[in-house]
Amino acid sequence: GQSLEQPSEVTAVEGAIVQINCTYQTSGFYGLSWYQQHDGGAPTFLSYNALDGLEETGRFSSFLSRSDSYGYLLLQELQMKDSASYFCAVRDRETDKLIFGTGTRLQVFP
Amino acid sequence: KAGVTQTPRYLIKTRGQQVTLSCSPISGHRSVSWYQQTPGQGLQFLFEYFSETQRNKGNFPGRFSGRQFSNSRSEMNVSTLELGDSALYLCASSLGAEFTGELFFGEGSRLTVL
Repeated sequence: GQSLEQPSEVTAVEGAIVQINCTYQTSGFYGLSWYQQHDGGAPTFLSYNALDGLEETGRFSSFLSRSDSYGYLLLQELQMKDSASYFCAVRDRETDKLIFGTGTRLQVFP
Repeated sequence: KAGVTQTPRYLIKTRGQQVTLSCSPISGHRSVSWYQQTPGQGLQFLFEYFSETQRNKGNFPGRFSGRQFSNSRSEMNVSTLELGDSALYLCASSLGAEFTGELFFGEGSRLTVL
């Protein structure tokens, strides 16, 4: 089957760096996306890794390793506003369906 | 430009009723997909439409249906509502059929079934 596993919760302090992992079991996919969702809000797109390696967008970076079935989102210089839920997602090649990870709730403390 | 608009934002129904939710994608976007979000199951894919054609369907019962109009606006319908249908229903749009990894989500329609 297809599944994307993430830690349920991560905590950190302002200014710190945090890594949110996404491990997956799917036979093939187009790439790995990351979304941020604040409580009561819409998911917003953060990054997309079509190929293996690191993608950097400001304070956020995302990494993908297909050989290790693993990806992560790295958040640097954490701010209080980064407290939100983060989801990884892939589009499965076989079913062409978008599959979301279980989601990670990040809490940033002062 | 305006984002994805979903209506209604909140609604309360009783078991056995039916509901229709609406989604207006970003202007120029022709692909619309729907998701159900619950605390226990996370984000689950419902359907995807492109140019009025259903491209894909998730693992939901036939009570869940949808359609897309020529102006790319989309609706989803749930008939014979059950308590377990209480959820946030999210709509997302993207420019075309080719997957680019980026979806633009609406704020969602929060459905409560009593």
